[in-house]
Amino acid sequence: DGGITQSPKYLFRKEGQNVTLSCEQNLNHDAMYWYRQDPGQGLRLIYYSQIVNDFQKGDIAEGYSVSREKKESFPLTVTSAQKNPTAFYLCASSIESLGTDTQYFGPGTRLTVL
Amino acid sequence: AQSVTQLGSHVSVSEGALVLLRCNYSSSVPPYLFWYVQYPNQGLQLLLKYTSAATLVKGINGFEAEFKKSETSFHLTKPSAHMSDAAEYFCAVSDASGTYKYIFGTGTRLKVLA
Repeated sequence: DGGITQSPKYLFRKEGQNVTLSCEQNLNHDAMYWYRQDPGQGLRLIYYSQIVNDFQKGDIAEGYSVSREKKESFPLTVTSAQKNPTAFYLCASSIESLGTDTQYFGPGTRLTVL
Repeated sequence: AQSVTQLGSHVSVSEGALVLLRCNYSSSVPPYLFWYVQYPNQGLQLLLKYTSAATLVKGINGFEAEFKKSETSFHLTKPSAHMSDAAEYFCAVSDASGTYKYIFGTGTRLKVLA
């Protein structure tokens, strides 16, 4: 079955640690996205990638980093510089990055900072 | 700049009653509009999307939405609510002018009463 997988589903981090969230897709999509979801705030774009080896900052990129070395993979690292990382993180992909393209979402990773 | 407003962060309906979730948008170019549904601790699933074809869009699970340019609205409706419709619903706007980014509303949590 084609789709997007995210791992782990739940992640706990101590303050000062970097953690990496995995996102893999087998839909053969060029574009991939990372969103952060907080209660009552909807989804906010962290980073996006239109093609392999290229990515751009979204609206709230500070304290996060990404890589896009393979078409199917777009991992997100939450660094110690992110002041309030506790949130639900969603990865998405689309065929291309046109406004008409549907974004398909993974199941999410819930990150909690202890 | 584009924006989306979802009126009512919480909506309650009785089982079998009409579901109406409101979405108003602001866009300087012809918009593309989407409705997504999210069940607890899961990713987002596309319900329907409007991309300048028919103004009445039918989606999955019996939902539909009507694009009204004069009212800048894209309200989501379902004639008869089912218990399984209880979830959070997000409206999003995009466009094909090059800013392929989705702008999400803050979400409406639907509760269905037995």
